[in-house]
Amino acid sequence: DGGITQSPKYLFRKEGQNVTLSCEQNLNHDAMYWYRQDPGQGLRLIYYSQIVNDFQKGDIAEGYSVSREKKESFPLTVTSAQKNPTAFYLCASSVAGGSQETQYFGPGTRLLVL
Amino acid sequence: AQSVSQHNHHVILSEAASLELGCNYSYGGTVNLFWYVQYPGQHLQLLLKYFSGDPLVKGIKGFEAEFIKSKFSFNLRKPSVQWSDTAEYFCAVTSISGGYNKLIFGAGTRLAVHP
Repeated sequence: DGGITQSPKYLFRKEGQNVTLSCEQNLNHDAMYWYRQDPGQGLRLIYYSQIVNDFQKGDIAEGYSVSREKKESFPLTVTSAQKNPTAFYLCASSVAGGSQETQYFGPGTRLLVL
Repeated sequence: AQSVSQHNHHVILSEAASLELGCNYSYGGTVNLFWYVQYPGQHLQLLLKYFSGDPLVKGIKGFEAEFIKSKFSFNLRKPSVQWSDTAEYFCAVTSISGGYNKLIFGAGTRLAVHP
């Protein structure tokens, strides 16, 4: 069954704690993305990666970190420096480049702060 | 900076009513346009997309959208909504940025359809 999987579905973070959200895809897509969704604000880009071992900051990268060691995987770490981490996090992937690039999304992880 | 505006944040309709959700973008160059839908508790799914050609695009579940270049608009329409269309709808535009196709989203429109 092809697609994008994200885990866990819900994640709770304590003050001062780093947490890592998983994103895996078996679509053989080159590019992967992390977005944050807040009510009434749409989706905002955190980080993206167009190729293994390379990634770039998006619009709201502060307090987050990523790695791209494998084509299939793009984990996102929410660090203690992120002061307002409560949000819905969406991972996406696409075939990189080209004039008809389309992003496909995973089911999301909801992060809550205790 | 490029932006996408969705005029209605909340829309409430009765079943069988017609739907039109507005979307305007601010970018003077070539654009790719998308509508995504997020049903309660489900993935963000692609509803339809426009790259080039016929400006009237048909998507899944009876939705369509019309690209009007002169108005920088890509409004979503459905002639007769169903209760199952209750969802949040996002308009998105591709903007070329630093060599990759940056996808910019509108704030979303929550649609509630009453039986």
